[in-house]
Amino acid sequence: DGGITQSPKYLFRKEGQNVTLSCEQNLNHDAMYWYRQDPGQGLRLIYYSQIVNDFQKGDIAEGYSVSREKKESFPLTVTSAQKNPTAFYLCASSIQAAVNSPLHFGNGTRLTVT
Amino acid sequence: AQKITQTQPGMFVQEKEAVTLDCTYDTSDPSYGLFWYKQPSSGEMIFLIYQGSYDQQNATEGRYSLNFQKARKSANLVISASQLGDSAMYFCAMREAFTTGKLIFGQGTTLQVKP
Repeated sequence: DGGITQSPKYLFRKEGQNVTLSCEQNLNHDAMYWYRQDPGQGLRLIYYSQIVNDFQKGDIAEGYSVSREKKESFPLTVTSAQKNPTAFYLCASSIQAAVNSPLHFGNGTRLTVT
Repeated sequence: AQKITQTQPGMFVQEKEAVTLDCTYDTSDPSYGLFWYKQPSSGEMIFLIYQGSYDQQNATEGRYSLNFQKARKSANLVISASQLGDSAMYFCAMREAFTTGKLIFGQGTTLQVKP
């Protein structure tokens, strides 16, 4: 089945450590995205990539980094510079970055930093 | 400036009744797309319906319809014949041609369906 796989589902880290969240898609989509969701809140865009080897900052990119070396993969690193990293992280993809192209989401990773 | 506004933090509806979830948006781009997503308590985001700014008719998908009023910049989601499984958080989102890479979300509305 085609889809987006995020792993792990739950992730626990100590403060000061970098952590990388995995996102893989087999939908052959060009565009990929990372969003952050805090409890009871909407989704906020961290980074997005429209093609391989290119990505742009979203609204809350500080303290995060990404890479897009392969079409299928868009890992997100939460660095120690991110002040409030505990959140629910959602990866998504779309066929293209077009107005009429919906995003398809993975099941998310819940990151807890203590 | 808030581009997507959902003014109803929480809503209740009786099973089998219809419910309208409000969404207003702000853009100066003539070309844009509006989306609604459902998020159950499990956390997954489920795409429900899409409306393009140039579409002449309101979008419909099964029990979901979008009441698109372009002049008022509103894109309300109507769910007919509510079911218990409709209990979830619902998000309105917009994508502008100017910035096609970005899908911007509202704060969401929590819907609870009563038996």
